[in-house]
Amino acid sequence: EAGVAQSPRYKIIEKRQSVAFWCNPISGHATLYWYQQILGQGPKLLIQFQNNGVVDDSQLPKDRFSAERLKGVDSTLKIQPAKLEDSAVYLCASSFNSGTPNSPLHFGNGTRLTVT
Amino acid sequence: EDQVTQSPEALRLQEGESSSLNCSYTVSGLRGLFWYRQDPGKGPEFLFTLYSAGEEKEKERLKATLTKKESFLHITAPKPEDSATYLCAVHAGRGSYIPTFGRGTSLIVHP
Repeated sequence: EAGVAQSPRYKIIEKRQSVAFWCNPISGHATLYWYQQILGQGPKLLIQFQNNGVVDDSQLPKDRFSAERLKGVDSTLKIQPAKLEDSAVYLCASSFNSGTPNSPLHFGNGTRLTVT
Repeated sequence: EDQVTQSPEALRLQEGESSSLNCSYTVSGLRGLFWYRQDPGKGPEFLFTLYSAGEEKEKERLKATLTKKESFLHITAPKPEDSATYLCAVHAGRGSYIPTFGRGTSLIVHP
C-alpha cells in the first residue's frame, strides 16, 4: 500500500509571499487532514475533510490559509500572505473514515516551511 | 474544550532502563486513544489504539494501557532504536471524530 505523498519536502519563502502544499492520500481513504507542527510541539489540526466536504476548520486562519480537496482525493493547502510565525512542518494525513473511531491516521513526511 | 497532556516532555534513559510515558486527557465522549511514534524528519507512525478502561496492547518492548483519565506507554528494556518522540492522540465526540494530539514526549535511549 502506497503511503501518503506530500510535496514539496522543503520550502523557503519570504514573508508576505504565497506558498502551496500538495497532498495525495492513501487510495480509498475518505478522510484527509492538514496539521501544522511547530518545532517541539504536537500536531495542531488545521482542517479535516470527509470526502470533499469540510468536517472541521475551526483552527484554520482563514484570512491567510485556504485548503481544498477536489473530487475527494488530492488536496492543496495554501498560505497567502505568509508570516514569520507560519514557519513549521505541514503534515497531511488520511484515514479510512473519520466516522469510525478505530481509524488511525496515516501521515506523510510533511513539508518543512521556513518564512524569512 | 478537549485537552491532552503528555509528560514528561523529555526523557533520557540508559539502554535497558525501563520507564513509562504518561498521557492524560479531558474530553467529552472518548472514542479512542491512539499512540504514535515520530522520528526526526518523518510523519507520526501509528502504534496502538485503545478504546476502554483496562485495555492493554503490546508490541515488542512497548505496552500501552488505558484508564478513565490517562494512558501509559511502558517501555521495557529500551534500545537506542526506540529513541523518538511519542505522541498521544484522542478521538472524541460524535459523528466524525476529530483527533486531538498532545505535545509529545521526546525519548532518548543511550547505549
